[in-house]
Amino acid sequence: GENVEQHPSTLSVQEGDSAVIKCTYSDSASNYFPWYKQELGKRPQLIIDIRSNVGEKKDQRIAVTLNKTAKHFSLHITETQPEDSAVYFCAASISGNTPLVFGKGTRLSVIA
Amino acid sequence: DAGVIQSPRHEVTEMGQEVTLRCKPISGHNSLFWYRQTMMRGLELLIYFNNNVPIDDSGMPEDRFSAKMPNASFSTLKIQPSEPRDSAVYFCASGDRDTDTQYFGPGTRLTVL
Repeated sequence: GENVEQHPSTLSVQEGDSAVIKCTYSDSASNYFPWYKQELGKRPQLIIDIRSNVGEKKDQRIAVTLNKTAKHFSLHITETQPEDSAVYFCAASISGNTPLVFGKGTRLSVIA
Repeated sequence: DAGVIQSPRHEVTEMGQEVTLRCKPISGHNSLFWYRQTMMRGLELLIYFNNNVPIDDSGMPEDRFSAKMPNASFSTLKIQPSEPRDSAVYFCASGDRDTDTQYFGPGTRLTVL
């Protein structure tokens, strides 16, 4: 089955700096790679996703890149703000309508 | 437009008691997922349904866990008997075939004493 590794487990950045979180996956059948943000005591919220037919996707300060050959994908947050502080999870699956396999999460702290 | 609804939001029970968690998916969504979140194991799939039919229950820990989806607007996850190691946050998510994405409910925080 699919296995998703996520690094780093914790990340501290100064406000305004960039943050990068990296994930690798094992199953070449995976085609859908979402990123979820989870604030303390809240539900995971989808912030961006990418599918295997594209290599990069951007939404304002957030971007995701995918390298299917190397089986890794990354989340990039630019101009970080204190409200970006949360736990971020990457996941992989065959499609958005099939079970997600999650990484262990990255706790991002943005220091004002 | 309401999102995924879960009840109860918090449940505290004693070991050996039966626990029933409930989920109402987003109207029109065709798939439903039960995930469990713990510090040790992270977010993991328990079971998922497609068009109300259980497709994959390989994540269900043992026979103490059971799930049903009697219709497109309701699902239950039952634990009987409950044990302290079942303490976790249980999330229900519904999947939209059209947008091919999943949306999580607010979760049920279960504490088994």
